[in-house]
Amino acid sequence: SYDLTQPPSVSVSPGQTASITCFGDKLGDKYASWYQQKPGQSPVVVIHQDNKRPSGIPERFSGSNSGNTATLTISGTQTMDEADYYCQAWDSNTAVFGGGTKLTVL
Amino acid sequence: QVQLQESGPGLVKPSETLSLTCTVSGGSVGSDTYYWSWIRQPPGKGLEWIGYIYYSGSTNYNPSLKSRLTMSVDTSKNQFSLKLSSVTAADTAVYYCAREIFFYNSGRRWFDPWGQGTLVTVSS
Repeated sequence: SYDLTQPPSVSVSPGQTASITCFGDKLGDKYASWYQQKPGQSPVVVIHQDNKRPSGIPERFSGSNSGNTATLTISGTQTMDEADYYCQAWDSNTAVFGGGTKLTVL
Repeated sequence: QVQLQESGPGLVKPSETLSLTCTVSGGSVGSDTYYWSWIRQPPGKGLEWIGYIYYSGSTNYNPSLKSRLTMSVDTSKNQFSLKLSSVTAADTAVYYCAREIFFYNSGRRWFDPWGQGTLVTVSS
């Protein structure tokens, strides 16, 4: 089965840039999506198709995907960005999620 | 805008069948441009894709759950449903329904929006 690996946690100071990575074999050959989940809420897509932002998602969210690694970058991180982030890709018509990264803004 | 709402029992006994329904508003499950998906999240853990159903009734299930899964769609009620048989405590989770947006044969696909989720506990 296909696996996506994320760091369990990332910390960032307010106003700084946060980078969350997602590793998978030849992930760059697939399309990656990123979901934000705040406590007690359902996930919300913040990046799809590697680097596309849905309407309503702030410009500080961006994404890239190349080689074996997809990266979610949050520029000028705000306290409201503190959440769990999950990467996701498709392999053999099966959706696979990474284990999630807890982003702490302090 | 499209909204999804899960409904069903919050408590299921071991070995019985878990049944959930997702009601879609602001959009149609009869659309040929979306798949309708189920995703679950055990308490304190990550997300697991369960499977999806298309308006035509065709399905695609997670291989790890396939033998216990049945999905259906009711276009007249604008709903789709999930049945998971022979449940155990390991099936305790928040169950989400979600719309999958896809571009045919391109690999470009993602989940948006998600329902609010419903907690299902498997316990006697």
